[in-house]
Amino acid sequence: NAGVTQTPKFQVLKTGQSMTLQCAQDMNHEYMSWYRQDPGMGLRLIHYSVGAGITDQGEVPNGYNVSRSTTEDFPLRLLSAAPSQTSVYFCASSYSGVRETGELFFGEGSRLTVL
Amino acid sequence: ILNVEQSPQSLHVQEGDSTNFTCSFPSSNFYALHWYRWETAKSPEALFVMTLNGDEKKKGRISATLNTKEGYSYLYIKGSQPEDSATYLCAFPNSGYALNFGKGTSLLVTP
Repeated sequence: NAGVTQTPKFQVLKTGQSMTLQCAQDMNHEYMSWYRQDPGMGLRLIHYSVGAGITDQGEVPNGYNVSRSTTEDFPLRLLSAAPSQTSVYFCASSYSGVRETGELFFGEGSRLTVL
Repeated sequence: ILNVEQSPQSLHVQEGDSTNFTCSFPSSNFYALHWYRWETAKSPEALFVMTLNGDEKKKGRISATLNTKEGYSYLYIKGSQPEDSATYLCAFPNSGYALNFGKGTSLLVTP
């Protein structure tokens, strides 16, 4: 079982470049989300989706775009990379809403460095 | 943003010790409280999702309790083992359908 798959696992960008972090899940989960993890900050929510065509902002959405055209995929786009976006990014999915009993399943993370 | 507070920030115990951590969350508009275990170089994995006041859940030597009226949850580890070393996260649903995480309690168990 693949679960939640993130690519790439590592990426180095220059300031101003754009890129897309890919996230795919094969569990037919409706709910997907992106988090970033920074030292001393814990996991912070960037964007989330409750189904194809529906997305919403989290705690730290600035500088990131998302779309959800299919149930399986939830890519995260960095529009113009900044050093402040150096972080480890995690994609997660759940079968039901986290307000009910929907536990999150996480990808392995993508480590991004912006120079 | 709904604040979730965890204490202590870190903990160092000897093998065989029992330990516990605290998670505090807003007591109004409660939906669910999640606990995750996060080992170094891996991804967080769900331990428990708790929804009812007074809930107690157990998985092996790890258990958790929930008090929604006063807004706290305890995670207990009985007879800690080195393989229990990890960061333990609690999380609370935001106004939408994703989680706000606490900063975690980092546990180190030494032989």
